[in-house]
Amino acid sequence: NAGVTQTPKFRVLKTGQSMTLLCAQDMNHEYMYWYRQDPGMGLRLIHYSVGEGTTAKGEVPDGYNVSRLKKQNFLLGLESAAPSQTSVYFCASSERRGRDFVNTGELFFGEGSRLTVL
Amino acid sequence: DAKTTQPPSMDCAEGRAANLPCNHSTISGNEYVYWYRQIHSQGPQYIIHGLKNNETNEMASLIITEDRKSSTLILPHATLRDTAVYYCIVRARGGSSGSARQLTFGSGTQLTVLP
Repeated sequence: NAGVTQTPKFRVLKTGQSMTLLCAQDMNHEYMYWYRQDPGMGLRLIHYSVGEGTTAKGEVPDGYNVSRLKKQNFLLGLESAAPSQTSVYFCASSERRGRDFVNTGELFFGEGSRLTVL
Repeated sequence: DAKTTQPPSMDCAEGRAANLPCNHSTISGNEYVYWYRQIHSQGPQYIIHGLKNNETNEMASLIITEDRKSSTLILPHATLRDTAVYYCIVRARGGSSGSARQLTFGSGTQLTVLP
């Protein structure tokens, strides 16, 4: 059981380049999230998804796009990378129970993807 | 969701209990208290959560005061592997069916377990 897997784990981009981070989960979770974490700071939510085919903006969505074409995958795209997007990106998933997943609030995180934009 | 206040850092001797405090004085009646931790360079890990009763699992115990304005996470026998940043998060119940309640991570408490 792999849990939440992120690829790639490391990437260096030049300003203006584009790339996609892939998150895959094998737990059949409804909800998926993308967070970023800058040095010495907590995690900030970029985008999230409550189910296949749906996405929503989080706290810091600008400069990113996401897609959830399959339930198990959540893609984070940077169309034109900027140095301010240098960060560690974490994907997470959680299970829906009952009317709302709040009964657990237990997010499973991947190991992170370290992105550097020069 | 209510805000939380945690000390930026704490030390604990290996084998002793680590007691991590969290203040959430503006917590509402329908808000849960969650604890996560993040070991250096890894993804955060869920530890425990509670509403108003004390909770215990294989990792830790959560003590919530009667007025719910503060809580304490207890690691009963801290080991060096417990060195991590610990996040206390307050999160409300969700709304309509299908809505997601995001977890907001603050700066947390850096716990260092000393040999």
